[in-house]
Order: sequence, then C-alpha cells, then structure tokens
Amino acid sequence: EPEVTQTPSHQVTQMGQEVILRCVPISNHLYFYWYRQILGQKVEFLVSFYNNEISEKSEIFDDQFSVERPDGSNFTLKIRSTKLEDSAMYFCASSEEGITSGSETQYFGPGTRLLVL
Amino acid sequence: QKEVEQDPGPLSVPEGAIVSLNCTYSNSAFQYFMWYRQYSRKGPELLMYTYSSGNKEDGRFTAQVDKSSKYISLFIRDSQPSDSATYLCAMSANTDKLIFGTGTRLQVFP
Repeated sequence: EPEVTQTPSHQVTQMGQEVILRCVPISNHLYFYWYRQILGQKVEFLVSFYNNEISEKSEIFDDQFSVERPDGSNFTLKIRSTKLEDSAMYFCASSEEGITSGSETQYFGPGTRLLVL
Repeated sequence: QKEVEQDPGPLSVPEGAIVSLNCTYSNSAFQYFMWYRQYSRKGPELLMYTYSSGNKEDGRFTAQVDKSSKYISLFIRDSQPSDSATYLCAMSANTDKLIFGTGTRLQVFP
C-alpha cells in the first residue's frame, strides 16, 4: 500500500540553525501539507501546497518557514533559523485532491521529531 | 472558547465494551468532519469521514454529526485491545486546513 515517507525520523539541532525536513508524498497525489504537534498538544496545520504554490497557511507559518517541491517526488519544509519553540513532531500529509473536490483523506507520514537545543 | 474541544482522557474500557468519543466545536462554518486514529509514534490515520450532519457506519465504527448542537461522536462497538490508541477529531470549513482536537487516549484491556 502506498504511503507517505519522511526523513529524517529524528533531528536534533542548535537554536538558530536551519533545518530541512523531507517528505515523499504518495505518487499520484497533488495536494501536500505540513502539520506539527508539540508534545502533549494537538496537531496544528501549518501549510497546504498545490500546483507549486502555497494555497493556505496558518499564522504559525511565518517568514522563518518555507516549503518547496524541488522535484517530482519530494516536498520539503525549511525552517530558516530554529527557535526552542519549534521543537515538535512535524507531519507531512498528501491527498489526491482537496477536501472540497471530494477527496477527504489526507494521508499522513510517520513524522519527523525535531528537537531544538 | 477553543475552536474544537475534546476530552483528553485517558479512557480505559474492557474488551468488548462500546466506546463513545466526542468533540464539540464552536465554528458553525465547519462542514467536513473526520476521526483519525493515532498509534504511539505514528502519524494520524483516517478512520471515518462525514460531510455535514448525519450518521455513517463502517464495520464496528459509527460516526455521528449533530451540527445544530455542534457536537460529533465516534462509537466503537465490540472494542478490541488493538483499538488502543489516541483518537483525534478533525474538522474543516470550505478549505483543506484541518482543525484537530487534542485527542482522546483510549485503552482497551483484555
């Protein structure tokens, strides 16, 4: 069964460093998402991406964050200068179409646990 | 008031019990309602999806949406130890942005 994969599974970085989290969505999917989950808190939407551009972003997704689909298979989240409060589990998700187009299933990857020291 | 509220539990039930999980919400624009299951150290996995109000059944799982009360439920019949996980409700208005509840941790003991 096709699945979303994410690398690395764990990343430890120093405050102020740049990190890139990588995701390989399911191959025929067109919509891509990043969510994060701070330990003990709820899953929070960061950004959605379709047709090579951001379609929606939350207030969390400030100028420190960027997303890119550098080739036909990868989808990345870059955090330019990490802060302590960026420590969280980051989930990538993908879907065939958008919710309003009738595709309600967003498939989530296993997550990357980011720890900022 | 939080946009989506969900009792974090934990909820501990014996095998075979009927489990009821619930969420309330404040945004009347929500139209798409989902239940995700999340096992420890894994990503959320979609269990059930309902558009607007009504009931939906899939095997041992039943999802209910009452938009007038802004209340959604997930029922699990004949619960199994393998159902032990965190259950997340999620909702959306007319966008792909999912708003999640905090999740309810369920433990089904043999």
